[in-house]
Amino acid sequence: DQQVKQNSPSLSVQEGRISILNCDYTNSMFDYFLWYKKYPAEGPTFLISISSIKDKNEDGRFTVFLNKSAKHLSLHIVPSQPGDSAVYFCAASAISSGDKLTFGTGTRLAVRP
Amino acid sequence: DAGVIQSPRHEVTEMGQEVTLRCKLISGHNSLFWYRQTMMRGLELLIYFNNNVPIDDSGMPEDRFSAKMPNASFSTLKIQPSEPRDSAVYFCASSFGQNPDTQYFGPGTRLTVL
Repeated sequence: DQQVKQNSPSLSVQEGRISILNCDYTNSMFDYFLWYKKYPAEGPTFLISISSIKDKNEDGRFTVFLNKSAKHLSLHIVPSQPGDSAVYFCAASAISSGDKLTFGTGTRLAVRP
Repeated sequence: DAGVIQSPRHEVTEMGQEVTLRCKLISGHNSLFWYRQTMMRGLELLIYFNNNVPIDDSGMPEDRFSAKMPNASFSTLKIQPSEPRDSAVYFCASSFGQNPDTQYFGPGTRLTVL
């Protein structure tokens, strides 16, 4: 049972344009969401997070949007750069589950020069 | 801080052999997580510890897998006997153990079981 779903395994975007990565979840108890970025042969690194009391969080070129009613979040990268090419994982946690994270399967982003 | 350290980075072994993966946490972190990454299931949580105590091992595939935390800074994940379907990248991550919290990942161990 995949509680966090990233339905697009890959995405290709032109440099300078916007990248939008999507994530859906099924567990209504999730109250904290994170995005991680992963380069080949490295571990995932934390990118940005959002609490369920917010619907938007912005950090430079990265913005995460949360739609609780739709159980959907998205990561916007604008403008996209070739160095953003990586696998992006969405993750969620619930206060009832301690500090355990549930990850999606990832979306591979390729930014074309 | 050097970050989370994992060893070995690559392991190739034959079916039936014992495999031990090692992880050193970031100093000051209280929680330790073992994950397995596969194409089909992404990052799966195998087990996590808080203050050296196993909190949730529901993701451990079967009895062939075991994990220990002999002290506050070190953990091992053992597979005995190993099988070809165990081939994957295994990550360990650590955090301060707060809720919510950010986990910091090691570089992973790529395991190949022939």
